[in-house]
Amino acid sequence: GAGVSQSPRYKVAKRGQDVALRCDPISGHVSLFWYQQALGQGPEFLTYFQNEAQLDKSGLPSDRFFAERPEGSVSTLKIQRTQQEDSAVYLCASSLEGTYATNEKLFFGSGTQLSVL
Amino acid sequence: GDSVTQMEGPVTLSEEAFLTINCTYTATGYPSLFWYVQYPGEGLQLLLKATKADDKGSNKGFEATYRKETTSFHLEKGSVQVSDSAVYFCALSDGNRDDKIIFGKGTRLHILP
Repeated sequence: GAGVSQSPRYKVAKRGQDVALRCDPISGHVSLFWYQQALGQGPEFLTYFQNEAQLDKSGLPSDRFFAERPEGSVSTLKIQRTQQEDSAVYLCASSLEGTYATNEKLFFGSGTQLSVL
Repeated sequence: GDSVTQMEGPVTLSEEAFLTINCTYTATGYPSLFWYVQYPGEGLQLLLKATKADDKGSNKGFEATYRKETTSFHLEKGSVQVSDSAVYFCALSDGNRDDKIIFGKGTRLHILP
């Protein structure tokens, strides 16, 4: 596609429910990032993939959060047993390059807004 | 750890006014600095960047200069337009392996016609 696509656009979950958020990066992009953006805050790093390899997951807030990119293209962020504090916009970004200074050409999706009731 | 602090909003200006959004950073190394913009209903977009001290990034009439001595990267525009209304994020990347970007909290800008 023309840009980074995320689905669903909005997700409402009951506390304790599992959710899965999808990211379709730009075709051929090597690097993929997930960010969490709480209301009124800046995006905070969650995890990074280079192709199918998850090179950094230091930002995942708990073991309830899990991300995968099995074929090096589409990525899924899964949150188990959702809590109210998980409510946020989850942003995905991708970049063509897989090496130093990928951030210069980072393309963001519009995000998935997760509300946990 | 590395961090970014930017002025809180919202900032409300009249069209054609001069804009400054302050941003300061803390970093152990030599970061690259960025301004990202988020228009309503759209994804984050890179507005401008600077990769070393004294560099000036510019785009769409916006400018920001990388000031190492004051650890600042203030965003300026001489004459704002209604279409500039958006949320602006100052950010840095420390250039490590995965180049994760650290964002400020964002400043919402409203331009009145």
